[in-house]
Amino acid sequence: DTAVSQTPKYLVTQMGNDKSIKCEQNLGHDTMYWYKQDSKKFLKIMFSYNNKELIINETVPNRFSPKSPDKAHLNLHINSLELGDSAVYFCASSHLGDRASPLHFGNGTRLTVT
Amino acid sequence: AQKVTQAQTEISVVEKEDVTLDCVYETRDTTYYLFWYKQPPSGELVFLIRRNSFDEQNEISGRYSWNFQKSTSSFNFTITASQVVDSAVYFCALSERSFGNEKLTFGTGTRLTIIP
Repeated sequence: DTAVSQTPKYLVTQMGNDKSIKCEQNLGHDTMYWYKQDSKKFLKIMFSYNNKELIINETVPNRFSPKSPDKAHLNLHINSLELGDSAVYFCASSHLGDRASPLHFGNGTRLTVT
Repeated sequence: AQKVTQAQTEISVVEKEDVTLDCVYETRDTTYYLFWYKQPPSGELVFLIRRNSFDEQNEISGRYSWNFQKSTSSFNFTITASQVVDSAVYFCALSERSFGNEKLTFGTGTRLTIIP
């Protein structure tokens, strides 16, 4: 019954490695997002995809590459991980154009880069 | 640019007290939506309420109530008879239209601690 699920929940890795976070939603939404929450709890959008098309890219380093194989999935691949990438990454989904549609968030992936 | 300000970084109250979390926003849009999300210690983000800019009616849901005042650009959240389970970080957010697409701009959050 999970609406937005992301894996893994925890990810610990060393600097320089490449890692991926997966996200899937079963709500039938047409838009998916990645948000980053830093150590001070500040939440900021990174990317948004609508029907597999990138529509928002918020000045995120090129090391971050989202991939949307279909409307229900939005994965985040991170190359050459840096210490500053340590954060909690949230996937979310909603209906685009329906401003009353709240974002439904996944439970987050805590990434720790050592 | 859109902006959401939650001036209260941390609040602590004793259980059963009422508490109000403040939210002030800035936008040039005439149509917009405001949201509150709760982030308990377990870390997930839980949707609480959305309000559109044309509806200034206050809303009550159990012990929760929201006061939207367009004149002061505020969307405050009150918990009555607080309980320990209300301890969490609460985020106010504004729905922003950018090139026809939507994204949420979040405030910095208010950490609420309910003392038993």
